[in-house]
Amino acid sequence: AQSVTQLDSHVSVSEGTPVLLRCNYSSSYSPSLFWYVQHPNKGLQLLLKYTSAATLVKGINGFEAEFKKSETSFHLTKPSAHMSDAAEYFCVVSDDSSASKIIFGSGTRLSIRP
Amino acid sequence: NAGVMQNPRHLVRRRGQEARLRCSPMKGHSHVYWYRQLPEEGLKFMVYLQKENIIDESGMPKERFSAEFPKEGPSILRIQQVVRGDSAAYFCASSRVEDYNSPLHFGNGTRLTVT
Repeated sequence: AQSVTQLDSHVSVSEGTPVLLRCNYSSSYSPSLFWYVQHPNKGLQLLLKYTSAATLVKGINGFEAEFKKSETSFHLTKPSAHMSDAAEYFCVVSDDSSASKIIFGSGTRLSIRP
Repeated sequence: NAGVMQNPRHLVRRRGQEARLRCSPMKGHSHVYWYRQLPEEGLKFMVYLQKENIIDESGMPKERFSAEFPKEGPSILRIQQVVRGDSAAYFCASSRVEDYNSPLHFGNGTRLTVT
């Protein structure tokens, strides 16, 4: 069975410092992995996706994520946080077998301190 | 190019009433997904539809909930005889093809409050 675990429900960093949002997954297949961002009262927007090409994936707004099969991780990083990055972030795993197998993590709320 | 449109943005219903949530997918998209989001939780899959067909409804509660995606018009998520536990944000997403590795395009959601 597939699952995805976001290890931190809330992360707070100062503006200009690095961001690390952690995600671990389990999947019986070679999964596709995604990060989505949700700003308050908005829908989810795709940040980046991994689909078995390069293990280091670059996304929008300066975010990137590295797929590490040995650690079953897909952590999201950004070198320097901006105030506009404050939002909820969701890690998502899909095994390409069915719609119901697109599994969302419980989310990490990112706060940015001035 | 309009994105996924959901309406209403906010919906208040009293217990026992019906709630109808609408979703118009992106232009050219014929696949629609409905998700429910409870506070402090991720999105939970409810149902996946293509035009005139329900493909996967394994996440739908067995009673009171139904969904459709007619040949013409938006997809509708219908909740009959609402209860307080139905209060949540309901998100619709669409995709152009049946490819679960493709990103989903989300609407801004409908926030249902049951009083």
